[in-house]
Amino acid sequence: GQSLEQPSEVTAVEGAIVQINCTYQTSGFYGLSWYQQHDGGAPTFLSYNALDGLEETGRFSSFLSRSDSYGYLLLQELQMKDSASYFCAVSGGATNKLIFGTGTLLAVQP
Amino acid sequence: DAGVTQSPTHLIKTRGQHVTLRCSPISGHKSVSWYQQVLGQGPQFIFQYYEKEERGRGNFPDRFSARQFPNYSSELNVNALLLGDSALYLCASSLASDEQFFGPGTRLTVL
Repeated sequence: GQSLEQPSEVTAVEGAIVQINCTYQTSGFYGLSWYQQHDGGAPTFLSYNALDGLEETGRFSSFLSRSDSYGYLLLQELQMKDSASYFCAVSGGATNKLIFGTGTLLAVQP
Repeated sequence: DAGVTQSPTHLIKTRGQHVTLRCSPISGHKSVSWYQQVLGQGPQFIFQYYEKEERGRGNFPDRFSARQFPNYSSELNVNALLLGDSALYLCASSLASDEQFFGPGTRLTVL
C-alpha cells in the first residue's frame, strides 16, 4: 500500500519557525511535493524535492531524505496568512499523479 | 495568463443523478488530472489524461469517467450519484511532473 503520515495540527506564533514532517511509504517514488490550501481554496504548489537535500524558496524550505522516506517543510518568519492546511504529496509511477497525505492544519497565533 | 478554470463552482444533485464537471487547463498544458477531496482529507487521485489519452486511474468505481478534448480541456462524469460522492472535485494541469496547478474546484453536494 501507499501512505503518507503528517501531524494533524501544529500551532505557532507570528515570527516563529515551524517544521512540518512527512514520512511516506510508496512504490515508484519520483519526488515529494508540498502544497498549501486555505480553507475552501485550491491547493497551491510550494516546493518539490526529487533529490536528497534542502530546497529553499523565500520563507519556505523543503527537505528530503530518500533513504529515510522522510521529508519536511520549514516555514520561517511565520505570518498570520500562513494559517492553512499543508499537504505533502508523493509523485511516482508512469503518471505524475500525486498521492497526498492527510494534511497538517497550521494555526498561526499573534 | 488565466489559471486552471473549473465549472460549475457549486452543484447540488440528488442520489441517482449524474453530473458533469468541466476543466480548462492553463494554456500550453497538455496534462489534466482530477482529484476528489472529502472534507478533512487530502485530495485523492481519480484520473490523469495526457494528449487526450488516459494515463492513470485511481481507485474509483466505474461510475466515474472522464475524457480530454483536442483543446486539452476535460470533463469528469459521475453516474448514479451516492451521498458519499459529496466532495470538492479538483482539476489540475501540468507541463512536467514536478508541479501541478490546481483549479478552484467544484463543490458537489449530493442530497
